Amino acid sequence: EVQLVESGGGLVQPGRSLRLSCAASGFTFDDYAMHWVRQAPGKGLEWVSGISWNSGSIGYADSVKGRFTISRDNAKNSLYLQMNSLRAEDTALYYCAKDRTGNQEGDNWFDPWGQGTLVTVSS
Amino acid sequence: QSVLTQPPSVSGAPGQRVTISCTGSSSNIGAGYDVHWYQQLPGTAPKLLIYGNSNRPSGVPDRFSGSKSGTSASLAITGLQAEDEADYYCQSYDSSHYVFGTGTKVTVL
Repeated sequence: EVQLVESGGGLVQPGRSLRLSCAASGFTFDDYAMHWVRQAPGKGLEWVSGISWNSGSIGYADSVKGRFTISRDNAKNSLYLQMNSLRAEDTALYYCAKDRTGNQEGDNWFDPWGQGTLVTVSS
Repeated sequence: QSVLTQPPSVSGAPGQRVTISCTGSSSNIGAGYDVHWYQQLPGTAPKLLIYGNSNRPSGVPDRFSGSKSGTSASLAITGLQAEDEADYYCQSYDSSHYVFGTGTKVTVL
């Protein structure tokens, strides 16, 4: 069974940093691209960032570009999101999701998703 | 901010048919990119419902169907059931970014 388990969320002050992790199991991790998707409280879904199987292709939403860094460690079956210069508008539940292929392609979808880790940015 | 527009809510009685539209533009759906749909039950993570415009993953009831035409796509739920009460999101691709619809809350009356 494919499992994605996020961790690392919490309460952080504006301007500070936080690192999220996603532990993957049940599939060959280094065969697939991976993504972070977030959902602000009571709001819709927003794609945050994606990374190809070999880290050769990385993409970011405009809202986080220059502040967030996605990475992966295939030896540890883990995905990461380093979030710097956090803002109140970054407050959200952050989901890790598996791509359908190893590369970020236009027709790809996300399946499955983890249960999410909550990030709250507040003073 | 979403580039894919959905109605905020739709409702129907048990057994009825409801449809959810997902309206995009020439840079996403109209450019030929596939549309996918997710169901988010209250308090849970999104779950893939339809992929590649009209395909159902294993385990998804055939009451759910998807279609795409031009710059729009639609999700239909026939024989609406109480357990279908959830939020539904479409997803596609635009300018090297993955994009989601604004989301639609389905209420079973």
